Amino acid sequence: AQSVSQHNHHVILSEAASLELGCNYSYGGTVNLFWYVQYPGQHLQLLLKYFSGDPLVKGIKGFEAEFIKSKFSFNLRKPSVQWSDTAEYFCAVNARSGGFKTIFGAGTRLFVKA
Amino acid sequence: DAGVIQSPRHEVTEMGQEVTLRCKPISGHDYLFWYRQTMMRGLELLIYFNNNVPIDDSGMPEDRFSAKMPNASFSTLKIQPSEPRDSAVYFCASSPSGGGISYEQYFGPGTRLTVT
Repeated sequence: AQSVSQHNHHVILSEAASLELGCNYSYGGTVNLFWYVQYPGQHLQLLLKYFSGDPLVKGIKGFEAEFIKSKFSFNLRKPSVQWSDTAEYFCAVNARSGGFKTIFGAGTRLFVKA
Repeated sequence: DAGVIQSPRHEVTEMGQEVTLRCKPISGHDYLFWYRQTMMRGLELLIYFNNNVPIDDSGMPEDRFSAKMPNASFSTLKIQPSEPRDSAVYFCASSPSGGGISYEQYFGPGTRLTVT
């Protein structure tokens, strides 16, 4: 069965620090990969996605993620975080052969200190 | 487009009562998903529909939960009878499809359910 593992449940950073959130999935076939963000009190929004092509994808607000197929990883990065990036981040995987069922990771809560 | 609409936004009810959560997906989206979010279990997929037909309900916790999608613009998630452990935020999401590819999901604002 598919699963998604996010390595850090809570991350605290100061503004301007660099961010990297780990995400690993378990599935041997072709996958679509997503990062969603949930700001406090709001619903989940898509941050970025990977379907095919360049494994380095860029999303909104300066976020990017790199798909490393050999490592089954899709880590999220941002070179310099802002206070407004405080949110919960979810990695999600959809197996193309598995219909439209998307599996979400447990989430990583990021707190950025001003 | 107004996005995915859910109602009510907040629901407080007593144990044993019936609860109905409602969702209106984005027009033109043919997939609809119901999720439950709790601190302990994170975001769980309960059920999803394609063209109003339930495709996978393996995440529905038990028979007290049921979901319907009578038409392309409306879905309900019902809990009867409700229990305190059902307290959570319930999200509805919709997604378009094309060429057999799953696109990203668009989430509604959620319904925060509290069962006392």
